[in-house]
Amino acid sequence: DVKVTQSSRYLVKRTGEKVFLECVQDMDHENMFWYRQDPGLGLRLIYFSYDVKMKEKGDIPEGYSVSREKKERFSLILESASTNQTSMYLCASIQAGVGTDTQYFGPGTRLTVL
Amino acid sequence: AQTVTQSQPEMSVQEAETVTLSCTYDTSESDYYLFWYKQPPSRQMILVIRQEAYKQQNATENRFSVNFQKAAKSFSLKISDSQLGDAAMYFCAYRSAAGSARQLTFGSGTQLTVLP
Repeated sequence: DVKVTQSSRYLVKRTGEKVFLECVQDMDHENMFWYRQDPGLGLRLIYFSYDVKMKEKGDIPEGYSVSREKKERFSLILESASTNQTSMYLCASIQAGVGTDTQYFGPGTRLTVL
Repeated sequence: AQTVTQSQPEMSVQEAETVTLSCTYDTSESDYYLFWYKQPPSRQMILVIRQEAYKQQNATENRFSVNFQKAAKSFSLKISDSQLGDAAMYFCAYRSAAGSARQLTFGSGTQLTVLP
């Protein structure tokens, strides 16, 4: 089974702190994604990566950056955390290509910025 | 850009009854995939069912089935014989068949409560 893990289930940070959210997948997937989940808004794509050191902005990239130095690991970085970044963050991965196979999701990190 | 709309923020159903969750989407593409995901309180996203747009036959997975109306851009989920374990947030999602990035566009979700 594909496994996507995220470094923390819950995280509390202070405004202005630099925050790293880590995601690791064990199925050699090319594509990895970071989503933000908010009530009433569903999941929104922040960034995705289709290869090592490659990244693309999603729908809401402002205030975030990402890093993918190794194929299995995709990090989301909040350079200076703000209270409006309090949210649930979900990582996902999928093999590149075509077909109906689906993204595999991590368990999510609930981030609170005080 | 594609959009996905779920107009029912909350739904409830009696155990053993049937419930239908609505989803509409907007796209100019002809080839795409549609998904329903379930997110229980554990927060783990679980794929419930998927549909390829070029297939006219509605997908079915045990008690879960869809009503896919391509012309109307509608993709509803029917849950039959509802069980307590079906209680969760349900998300409808769209994915283009073009390109290899394979990102999903999600609706806002429907919170399903199952009443004993």
